[in-house]
Amino acid sequence: NAGVTQTPKFQVLKTGQSMTLQCAQDMNHEYMSWYRQDPGMGLRLIHYSVGAGITDQGEVPNGYNVSRSTTEDFPLRLLSAAPSQTSVYFCASSKARDRENEQFFGPGTRLTVL
Amino acid sequence: AQTVTQSQPEMSVQEAETVTLSCTYDTSENNYYLFWYKQPPSRQMILVIRQEAYKQQNATENRFSVNFQKAAKSFSLKISDSQLGDTAMYFCAFMIGATNKLIFGTGTLLAVQP
Repeated sequence: NAGVTQTPKFQVLKTGQSMTLQCAQDMNHEYMSWYRQDPGMGLRLIHYSVGAGITDQGEVPNGYNVSRSTTEDFPLRLLSAAPSQTSVYFCASSKARDRENEQFFGPGTRLTVL
Repeated sequence: AQTVTQSQPEMSVQEAETVTLSCTYDTSENNYYLFWYKQPPSRQMILVIRQEAYKQQNATENRFSVNFQKAAKSFSLKISDSQLGDTAMYFCAFMIGATNKLIFGTGTLLAVQP
């Protein structure tokens, strides 16, 4: 199993550009989430999904869109990038109704918006 | 709203010594889980240890153990026999029930000195 994969690892955008951060998992996990990590603020939940076709907002959803058309993939879209979206982005997945509640994280994408 | 507080931005410990990282949280929920994650310079998020709130016994994983004080809403991590590979950022995290949504503290940067 590859686990949770994210592409790209690094990205530089100009203000106003759009892009999609890719996330995929091969563990047949129902739950998938996107977090952003900023210095001094820990990780904060952006959007999450409890299964294909179902998404919901987390703590900091503004400026981001998500969709979940398959169990495996959960892309994060920035429609018009802003410098405030400069951050490290993590995708995570976990199995529903898992007593351990363990979330598996991808390696992260470092995004810089100029 | 749930919050997680880590009051020690940075800590240092000598190799082979013991160190304790502090974490407090605030919630009115009864069913929740607590976690410690390690983030080494590679940026990968690694689960260190978990604690179910309904369990009175403190969780242990090899050199890592927690002191869970439910009434005080405290969840500290003790690392025994510290090793150079323990150098990392450590995040305390909270999850309500089986929501699979993590709330993170701001992290403690631990440096293990040779």
